[in-house]
Amino acid sequence: DVVMTQSPLSLSVTLGQPASISCRSSQSLVYSDGNTFLTWFQQRPGQSPRRLIYKVSNRDSGVPDRFSGSGSGTDFTLKISRVEAEDVGVYYCMQGTHRPLTFGGGTKVEIK
Amino acid sequence: QVQLVESGGGVVQPGRSLRLSCAASGFVFRSYAMHWVRQAPGKGLEWVAVISYDGNNQYYADSVKGRLTVSRDNSQNTLYLQMNSLRTEDTAVYYCATSTSSTPDSWGQGTLVTVSS
Repeated sequence: DVVMTQSPLSLSVTLGQPASISCRSSQSLVYSDGNTFLTWFQQRPGQSPRRLIYKVSNRDSGVPDRFSGSGSGTDFTLKISRVEAEDVGVYYCMQGTHRPLTFGGGTKVEIK
Repeated sequence: QVQLVESGGGVVQPGRSLRLSCAASGFVFRSYAMHWVRQAPGKGLEWVAVISYDGNNQYYADSVKGRLTVSRDNSQNTLYLQMNSLRTEDTAVYYCATSTSSTPDSWGQGTLVTVSS
């Protein structure tokens, strides 16, 4: 199975400052059709997960443009350009290229 | 607007069975593959299974293969998860989700399954 490793485990950020989360996979996530199925989710306290980014860098509808995804192959990053109070929660990366699908362990974001 | 409502969770003894349902509305259910994802209390997310739009193909996590079975009824816009030979480690909130770009997209609110004697 593909192992997804996120870092850091937790992040304490001042409001208005940037934040960055890393996600590394144990195998390349490039599918045979050329797509890279790397996804980012946000889970606010007490809520269901919400998808933010799919195929590395595509924002889902309604996701603020302060969220951006980048990377390739085995190395990916989620960036929040200016953290707001509503961004508090746990962020997960997930790969959809290989079966079984696998999640990273999560990164907890809190406000300093 | 996509709405997914899970039901069927509860407390069950180890070795027993349970069937979860996910009622879908607000989109063309028969056109989408669907996922089940679970989250043990205080833990991260674990993908469980996916079923193709027509129900002909299913894939499972190794941890549930042979015990959990995903199915769907496109005439009733409903997704199912049949859970047999339940173990204490199956205790979790179970979410259903639509699938786009090969990964979960819209999620339900989840239903809690507790396996305990």
